[in-house]
Amino acid sequence: ELKVEQNPLFLSMQEGKNYTIYCNYSTTSDRLYWYRQDPGKSLESLFVLLSNGAVKQEGRLMASLDTKARLSTLHITAAVHDLSATYFCAGGIQGGSEKLVFGKGTKLTVNP
Amino acid sequence: DTEVTQTPKHLVMGMTNKKSLKCEQHMGHRAMYWYKQKAKKPPELMFVYSYEKLSINESVPSRFSPECPNSSLLNLHLHALQPEDSALYLCASSQDLRVAGAYEQYFGPGTRLTVT
Repeated sequence: ELKVEQNPLFLSMQEGKNYTIYCNYSTTSDRLYWYRQDPGKSLESLFVLLSNGAVKQEGRLMASLDTKARLSTLHITAAVHDLSATYFCAGGIQGGSEKLVFGKGTKLTVNP
Repeated sequence: DTEVTQTPKHLVMGMTNKKSLKCEQHMGHRAMYWYKQKAKKPPELMFVYSYEKLSINESVPSRFSPECPNSSLLNLHLHALQPEDSALYLCASSQDLRVAGAYEQYFGPGTRLTVT
């Protein structure tokens, strides 16, 4: 059974600083996803990581995947207030369709 | 168009009511999903339809009844719910999983359900 753990669960950081959110998963997962959720809103897809060593970047966010370590990271560069949200990682298990197992989420607050 | 729509946005229902949630996508996706999300928790998978057939039921109580009338539409019928069923219900869709890389799930805005 796939289990996904994120840390930290809460992250308060200052604007302009860098930080990394970690996502560990327990068994082989075909792929790893990162989502963003604003309060009261739905999930917005950020990154899909499909293979070992995959690195994707969008703006101030960069995600990577190390399948040997069963670890994905979401790195935040020079944070801005607009990045405040909850970030979820999710592992994918493919059967007849794609089952996602989510981590508990990291609530990020970027302070001026 | 990468949009999944859900109606209604908000729903308040009594424990004896019958209601339905609706989800629609016009992206040609062949897999559709229902998730339940309680406050400050991650989404939890409830049901998956693949090619209009139920492929995953995560041991969801029978008071939740999914239906997939066609490849674009997914319903969740609700009957005799409990207050603890109050949550955000999210629908998602993804492409044909037989196509490499076509796994990404696109989420709708959700229906916020309150059971009184």
